[in-house]
Amino acid sequence: NAGVTQTPKFRILKIGQSMTLQCTQDMNHNYMYWYRQDPGMGLKLIYYSVGAGITDKGEVPNGYNVSRSTTEDFPLRLELAAPSQTSVYFCASSYSSSGAYEQYFGPGTRLTVT
Amino acid sequence: GQNIDQPTEMTATEGAIVQINCTYQTSGFNGLFWYQQHAGEAPTFLSYNVLDGLEEKGRFSSFLSRSKGYSYLLLKELQMKDSASYLCAVMDSNYQLIWGAGTKLIIKP
Repeated sequence: NAGVTQTPKFRILKIGQSMTLQCTQDMNHNYMYWYRQDPGMGLKLIYYSVGAGITDKGEVPNGYNVSRSTTEDFPLRLELAAPSQTSVYFCASSYSSSGAYEQYFGPGTRLTVT
Repeated sequence: GQNIDQPTEMTATEGAIVQINCTYQTSGFNGLFWYQQHAGEAPTFLSYNVLDGLEEKGRFSSFLSRSKGYSYLLLKELQMKDSASYLCAVMDSNYQLIWGAGTKLIIKP
């Protein structure tokens, strides 16, 4: 099992550019999440999905979009990148949203927007 | 608003015991998680508490008091590899995790 994989590991974007952060999990989890982590701050939920074809906004969705066409993949799209989107992005998955079901995290994508 | 508070940084000595506190105010409560995050890496699950009391797992234990909105993570027999950030997260009424900023634990020989 590879678990949760993310690509790329690092990326530098210019203001106004767009990109897609890829996330794949091989644990057959229905629930998937995108977080951003800024220095000195807790993880913030951007978007989440409860299954293929179903997505919903988290706490900080502005400037991002997601899709979930398969159980395995949950890409995050950044449109018109801004310096405020400089962050570390983590994708996670879980078997269920409730109970003692831990979230498994990918290794993260470190994004800089200049 | 929803709030998770934990100390920013703590220092302890190898072989000793350290307690990392977490207090929370959230809209609803469906459990509290502790995760470990080494620098530059992803968070990894340590423990889950949903009922009051102490859960022990090897060198790590986690305690919860729902009436006080309080939890702690206890690490015993500290090892250098325990140097990491420890994240407290509460699952709210919408089954979403609300995360604290993390406590950076520095272990000295």
